[in-house]
Amino acid sequence: DTAVSQTPKYLVTQMGNDKSIKCEQNLGHDTMYWYKQDSKKFLKIMFSYNNKELIINETVPNRFSPKSPDKAHLNLHINSLELGDSAVYFCASSALDRAGGYTFGSGTRLTVV
Amino acid sequence: KQEVTQIPAALSVPEGENLVLNCSFTDSAIYNLQWFRQDPGKGLTSLLLIQSSQREQTSGRLNASLDKSSGRSTLYIAASQPGDSATYLCAVGRGGANNLFFGTGTRLTVIP
Repeated sequence: DTAVSQTPKYLVTQMGNDKSIKCEQNLGHDTMYWYKQDSKKFLKIMFSYNNKELIINETVPNRFSPKSPDKAHLNLHINSLELGDSAVYFCASSALDRAGGYTFGSGTRLTVV
Repeated sequence: KQEVTQIPAALSVPEGENLVLNCSFTDSAIYNLQWFRQDPGKGLTSLLLIQSSQREQTSGRLNASLDKSSGRSTLYIAASQPGDSATYLCAVGRGGANNLFFGTGTRLTVIP
């Protein structure tokens, strides 16, 4: 299936831990993104990344870092997790010209206890 | 800064009714606009994509319009069905920036 896939779907962890969420797309897209959906269901961009440029939303703490081993993958690493990091994290991708719009993964629900 | 607003926040209609969801945005310099559907606990499913040069797009019972000059888009759903119950999200792609700005969503309930 052509898609954007994220793992894990659910992640429960203690405060202070370091965790990663993986994302892979097989759509041949050039650009990948991470979005955060908060408790009020509002979606906000965290990062956009293609092979030339990483754009970071200025409000994202530096405990969050994207890692891209290749064009098809953009993983999200989170250090020293805090209670406020609990949210649903969505990976997405698009072609460089965005002509086909954006495709989203099914989300990772992170709960920090 | 682009701000996207969706009205109403929630809508409940009986099955079979036609309905309109509204989306407004503050910066008319958009690249495209995309409507998504999100079911509870699920990801986002793309419904319709309108490029900035287009005025509308149609897919089945769905029709989305775009008026850039007034900063508005509407999603029209014909002959609503209980399976249409979900949260509908409007997202604007801005020129010069590669990311989407999302609205707060409209939660639709279609009553059988």
